[in-house]
Amino acid sequence: KQEVTQIPAALSVPEGENLVLNCSFTDSAIYNLQWFRQDPGKGLTSLLLIQSSQREQTSGRLNASLDKSSGRSTLYIAASQPGDSATYLCAVKWGNTDKLIFGTGTRLQVFP
Amino acid sequence: ETGVTQTPRHLVMGMTNKKSLKCEQHLGHNAMYWYKQSAKKPLELMFVYNFKEQTENNSVPSRFSPECPNSSHLFLHLHTLQPEDSALYLCASSQEGAGGYTFGSGTRLTVV
Repeated sequence: KQEVTQIPAALSVPEGENLVLNCSFTDSAIYNLQWFRQDPGKGLTSLLLIQSSQREQTSGRLNASLDKSSGRSTLYIAASQPGDSATYLCAVKWGNTDKLIFGTGTRLQVFP
Repeated sequence: ETGVTQTPRHLVMGMTNKKSLKCEQHLGHNAMYWYKQSAKKPLELMFVYNFKEQTENNSVPSRFSPECPNSSHLFLHLHTLQPEDSALYLCASSQEGAGGYTFGSGTRLTVV
């Protein structure tokens, strides 16, 4: 069964820390992997999309890496800010299917 | 207007009511999706439409009825819902292939 797992489930850190959020997935034959951010009660905002042929993607203070062989992706947030507080979701698309399967998310709180 | 737009943002309905959720995408994508997000659960894929044809029905009860009249519009018709159907319903679109998903802001549904 194709599943996505995220750890930790929740994280609370002081402002300025560098953070690593983890995502693991069964079945390494992925098509692509996407990281999203979700604020409470809101929709999802796409952060980074990594194709299966790529090792990492960067956008501003965010860097996402992909290691298919170990079934892992990490989202690195540099110099965290209170505005980064949200739930971060990892989602995987396998093969050339129409399905995007989500993890349960990591709820991040950055306090001043 | 750009992106994926969902209406209404909030909906309260009785168990005997009939209502519809609307989704519209302005991105030129050819695939559209309905997801359900309940508290403390991963996002659950409900339906997939590719080029207006339904390609996935993830064992969704028949009280949820999707409609995709064209590649830009997607509806979810609701009737005789149960309180446990209360959730955030999210619409998304993507371009077939390696593209990422774009999500709308969601409809917060409460069934009373």
